Amino acid sequence: QVQLVQSGPEVKKPGASLKVSCKASNYTFTNFGIIWVRQAPGQGLEWMGWISPYNGNTNYAQNFQGRVTMTTDTSTTTAFMELRGLRSDDSAVYYCARGLKLRASWYYYWGQGTLVTVSS
Amino acid sequence: EIVMKQSPATLSVSPGERATLSCRASQSVTSNLAWYQQIPGQPPRLLIYGASTRATDIPARFSASGSGTEFTLTISSLQSEDFAVYFCQQYTNWPLTFGGGTKVEIK
Repeated sequence: QVQLVQSGPEVKKPGASLKVSCKASNYTFTNFGIIWVRQAPGQGLEWMGWISPYNGNTNYAQNFQGRVTMTTDTSTTTAFMELRGLRSDDSAVYYCARGLKLRASWYYYWGQGTLVTVSS
Repeated sequence: EIVMKQSPATLSVSPGERATLSCRASQSVTSNLAWYQQIPGQPPRLLIYGASTRATDIPARFSASGSGTEFTLTISSLQSEDFAVYFCQQYTNWPLTFGGGTKVEIK
């Protein structure tokens, strides 16, 4: 069965950088896109961006432009989301999810989420 | 950016009753609309895509309709496991956008 397994919880100080991984298995990694979504405590879902492992194309939400970088490693079928200049309001659960290869879509497979706490 | 608005924010329903949730888009998304269910501590679970197509393993008590800017999710007879938060999401254009959610709670 398709699995997306994310890295573990993180505690970061303001101004630090974060890198979350999303290990994909049991499907052809380059045939599907990956999105990153975050959810602050008690809040809704916020789309951060998308990457196509097929060609490396990315599309970032305006709110994160200049602060986020999404990459993939096809040799390990892992997607990464790096967020820089962390602030307290970046404290959230971060999810990866699998969608269509080259465009926006719906998302059936999700990672388990990575809890990130930003605190001095 | 397409803004998605859901109503009501909270819906109080008794088990066995019907629940009707709404989602409105600020501009047409044609049928590029998905619905998710989220239980606290879990990732979203896809219920519906293409505005009305149930995802794999989703029970028939979940149905959805709509196109353009107005969409509805109906749960015909609420079971205990259906009390959760429901989100709509459009995928017509980047950026992907989600509605703010409707919490379905036990009356």
